[in-house]
This record gives sequence, C-alpha cells and structure tokens, in this order.
Amino acid sequence: SAVISQKPSRDICQRGTSLTIQCQVDSQVTMMFWYRQQPGQSLTLIATANQGSEATYESGFVIDKFPISRPNLTFSTLTVSNMSPEDSSIYLCSVEVAGTYEQYFGPGTRLTVT
Amino acid sequence: DAKTTQPPSMDCAEGRAANLPCNHSTISGNEYVYWYRQIHSQGPQYIIHGLKNNETNEMASLIITEDRKSSTLILPHATLRDTAVYYCIVPLYNTDKLIFGTGTRLQVFP
Repeated sequence: SAVISQKPSRDICQRGTSLTIQCQVDSQVTMMFWYRQQPGQSLTLIATANQGSEATYESGFVIDKFPISRPNLTFSTLTVSNMSPEDSSIYLCSVEVAGTYEQYFGPGTRLTVT
Repeated sequence: DAKTTQPPSMDCAEGRAANLPCNHSTISGNEYVYWYRQIHSQGPQYIIHGLKNNETNEMASLIITEDRKSSTLILPHATLRDTAVYYCIVPLYNTDKLIFGTGTRLQVFP
C-alpha cells in the first residue's frame, strides 16, 4: 500500500481564479491519476499523470483547464484554471500498485468556487 | 469494455453478512473484477479483486460465478463502519484505468 497526502484539504475560491492541488506519495510509484467527484456523484477520471511527459487526458478534460505536472515518481500537481462554480468538486489523486489495478487514493481536496 | 450493474442501495443489520451483487455479463476472459468502497468524505478504498476463483482477504470474500458474468462481495459480519458506497469495477483491458459507476450504497443499521 501507499500513503498519499493532498494539499490543500479544502479551499473556497472566487470564479476566474486558479488553484493548484498537490499530491505527495510516500514511495515511488509508476502510475498516478487525478479524479473529480462532483457533489452526489461518482468519481470521474480526469487524467493520468505521466512522469517526464505530458499527462494523458480523458474525454471532456483538456490541458488548458486542468494542467498537470509530474516532476518525479512521488509528486504531482493538478491545477484547476479559470474556475467557475461548476468546478466545485472533490479532487482526488490516486496511485497504482505496479502490475495490478489496486489503486490507493488520497483524502481528496474539497473545492468550492463562489 | 465490460460494464457493471449494481443495485443502487442495500440495507444490512449489524453483525449479519452483507452480500453485494454485481452483474458484468460482457466481461472477457482475461478481465478482472475489482471492488472498492468509499466511506463518506473519504477517498475510495481498495477491497479485493478476482479473475475466476473465489477470493478472500481480511476485509471480504469475493464469489465469482463459473460463467464470470456476475459476482458477489461478501462482508461476513457487517459493522456500522462498513456503511459506504461499494463499487464493482471491471478495468478497461490493457489499460490502467478504473471507471467508477454509481455503485451500491450499503447502510448497516444497529
């Protein structure tokens, strides 16, 4: 297993601004992912954070809106850009145990956009 | 891509076994079934996975039918802390992606 921390745990932001969420893992992992969970909904995969290369985005998510960095094997950031109230969600990062589909999730960042 | 179907909600008395069903009739021969749960205000938690044989770990048991078209997650002695949304997932083959459906909301009552 892996221990994952996220910063900030929650934030309230004004529309039009940007927020960067950090994800730190206590061990080196190959695969890191970012998810969004809108109020009352299930999780939606935003992108796979690739170390040393551009993130791979899922349909409906674009780099200009959700730029992702992965400078090393233990750290990643997700930025929510030019926020609107529709971006109010919980954002979660996860890591995968190599060779399996076992993913371990961070506690999430609760974002409210006013 | 195998899709899964789960009942939206279930109740279970504390101390009893909770049996959560999942249908995955389009699963292919080399696709695994994974179970996760999400307790309120927390990130999802991995529970168990299996291919064709029944599996057991310290958290739960997974029973997969012989034709692999359905499975059941069993929590042998449910506690109040098992109240959560349970997700049955068949990952996209040859990818690392987990696609979360709507899951089953399990309510354990005293």
